[in-house]
Amino acid sequence: GAVVSQHPSWVICKSGTSVKIECRSLDFQATTMFWYRQFPKQSLMLMATSNEGSKATYEQGVEKDKFLINHASLTLSTLTVTSAHPEDSSFYICSAPRRRANTGELFFGEGSRLTVL
Amino acid sequence: SQQGEEDPQALSIQEGENATMNCSYKTSINNLQWYRQNSGRGLVHLILIRSNEREKHSGRLRVTLDTSKKSSSLLITASRAADTASYFCATGRGSYIPTFGRGTSLIVHP
Repeated sequence: GAVVSQHPSWVICKSGTSVKIECRSLDFQATTMFWYRQFPKQSLMLMATSNEGSKATYEQGVEKDKFLINHASLTLSTLTVTSAHPEDSSFYICSAPRRRANTGELFFGEGSRLTVL
Repeated sequence: SQQGEEDPQALSIQEGENATMNCSYKTSINNLQWYRQNSGRGLVHLILIRSNEREKHSGRLRVTLDTSKKSSSLLITASRAADTASYFCATGRGSYIPTFGRGTSLIVHP
């Protein structure tokens, strides 16, 4: 079964509104979670690394005021797209490493498709 | 960050045929992982191969790793229509930040 749960799976919103996406690790604690953005038929672009108890680390070119990340607990990270515009429409995916024997294996959520009208 | 680049970008085969896709990377690694993504879904971990391993099998999947060439291949034998998906590789080195290439889009025709 899924070990990382992402919600909502899809959301449609009006331009100018804010949207929150949740990522939960279900049966393990994740001190780190990764947020990706994916355009159709494109790669996953790493947006930021979410760190429990500290500020997120953003990749170059990603606006931290636009994409607010909060790692509130060891099992929950949230991504808020603030004042969303049509160009923010995309597929957002979170993942968490479950360090089994330090394998580095990542578990992914099912993704959230955001459409901004 | 570590990044793998998959090749080919697209692959179309008939059911029952084998599918081979490749991954190249640039820096030294501890392990390399292959993931699968069905359209509009999250990624699913398929297999991990460590840097001291040359070949690994999991069901119909066979992964090879050549650290001297900094490349890996994923072979899916006796493909099925349900194998249609995009396949990505990601490399790991200690505390890494995983990044992915564009993936290989595999279409298996029934």
